[in-house]
Amino acid sequence: GEDVEQSLFLSVREGDSSVINCTYTDSSSTYLYWYKQEPGAGLQLLTYIFSNMDMKQDQRLTVLLNKKDKHLSLRIADTQTGDSAIYFCAESNDYKLSFGAGTTVTVRA
Amino acid sequence: GAVVSQHPSWVICKSGTSVKIECRSLDFQATTMFWYRQFPKQSLMLMATSNEGSKATYEQGVEKDKFLINHASLTLSTLTVTSAHPEDSSFYICSTTGGVGYTFGSGTRLTVV
Repeated sequence: GEDVEQSLFLSVREGDSSVINCTYTDSSSTYLYWYKQEPGAGLQLLTYIFSNMDMKQDQRLTVLLNKKDKHLSLRIADTQTGDSAIYFCAESNDYKLSFGAGTTVTVRA
Repeated sequence: GAVVSQHPSWVICKSGTSVKIECRSLDFQATTMFWYRQFPKQSLMLMATSNEGSKATYEQGVEKDKFLINHASLTLSTLTVTSAHPEDSSFYICSTTGGVGYTFGSGTRLTVV
């Protein structure tokens, strides 16, 4: 969607950290989400962050939110081959989700 | 956690025919269902929002007579692509607000030949 932007591709070596960045425009968004989509499948919720939080960590995943700059990032520690997928950030407003175009993460050995 | 079962996973149909896609919420009531369309290597575009027992709300540019949505019960919503054409070939995904965040179906790959 035009209101959420993210880089399209990321290539990372197995074992390194991946960082996917996203910017959004709606300052009234209550929640911001990260979803993972594997080929031919639906979307799997990875994590989410409430808009009044700066950071959230969940095992290998760390979400950072800079509300002033409307910038959201997802860091995946110790990236594995199973992390290869498309990652979407999304903002919710009035119960509707607006998605970014998706970042294709490729993990190389 | 909340699960949305979407069927079929893929379907091939002839041009001019209609195809029905079903999404069922398991173990919870889905008052609202969102229907998305995704073209290859692109993001999800919201087509319509349906609420149980009322007419669906369509996004701008989506033909309501072509994409018929029925949400007759709290556990079932359907999307029917009527008089399908090759340009309707796409990946269709449903989603509901049950559970944490939004729960998505596994998607339906529609190919119109």
